Amino acid sequence: DIVMTQSPDSLAVSLGERATIHCKSSQSVLSSSDNRNYLAWFQQKPGQPPNLLIYWASTRESGVPDRFSGSGSGTDFTLTISSLQAEDVAVYFCQQYYDAPLTFGGGTKVEIK
Amino acid sequence: EVQLVESGGGLVQPGGSLRLSCAASGFTFSNFWMIWVRQAPGKGLEWVATINKDGNGKNYVDSVKGRFTISRDNAKNSLYLQLNSLRAEDTAVYFCAGGVGWIFDYWGQGTLVTVSS
Repeated sequence: DIVMTQSPDSLAVSLGERATIHCKSSQSVLSSSDNRNYLAWFQQKPGQPPNLLIYWASTRESGVPDRFSGSGSGTDFTLTISSLQAEDVAVYFCQQYYDAPLTFGGGTKVEIK
Repeated sequence: EVQLVESGGGLVQPGGSLRLSCAASGFTFSNFWMIWVRQAPGKGLEWVATINKDGNGKNYVDSVKGRFTISRDNAKNSLYLQLNSLRAEDTAVYFCAGGVGWIFDYWGQGTLVTVSS
């Protein structure tokens, strides 16, 4: 199974400042056949289901604000919130869909400092 | 409007059974791969099972193999998860989700399964 490791477990950022979350996979999720990284990012607010933010490591889902961006390739990935807003307080998960079983990172809780 | 609505959760004793349902609307259900994902209280997300578009391809996380069965009825726009031989560690909110390929962008609100005596 591909193990997804996120860091940090939590972070507190001031409103308007940058938040950066890291995700590392135990093996590459970059496909040699299509040169795509099979990596997604989700946001989950309390009492709500996960909400897809990013797929293919860097493609923003329709309707997601452009302050959210994804980067990285192979085994190392980053989700960046360029200017944290109050509504961004949530837990963020990375997920690989390169191979079964689908696996998620442990989550990063983002709070306001 | 896309909707996925889960039902069937509840309190069940260890060793018992439940059948979860997920009713889909607002999209062409038969074109979508579907999954069940669960979240134990205060914990992270765990994929449970996947079913392909026509229902003839399924896979499961090791911890539920032989106990859980995923199925779908495309005529009824519905997804199911049969849970047998339930254990305390199966206690979680169970979400259904759908996607084109393995990118799952439609999620239900979840249904809580509590396994306790």
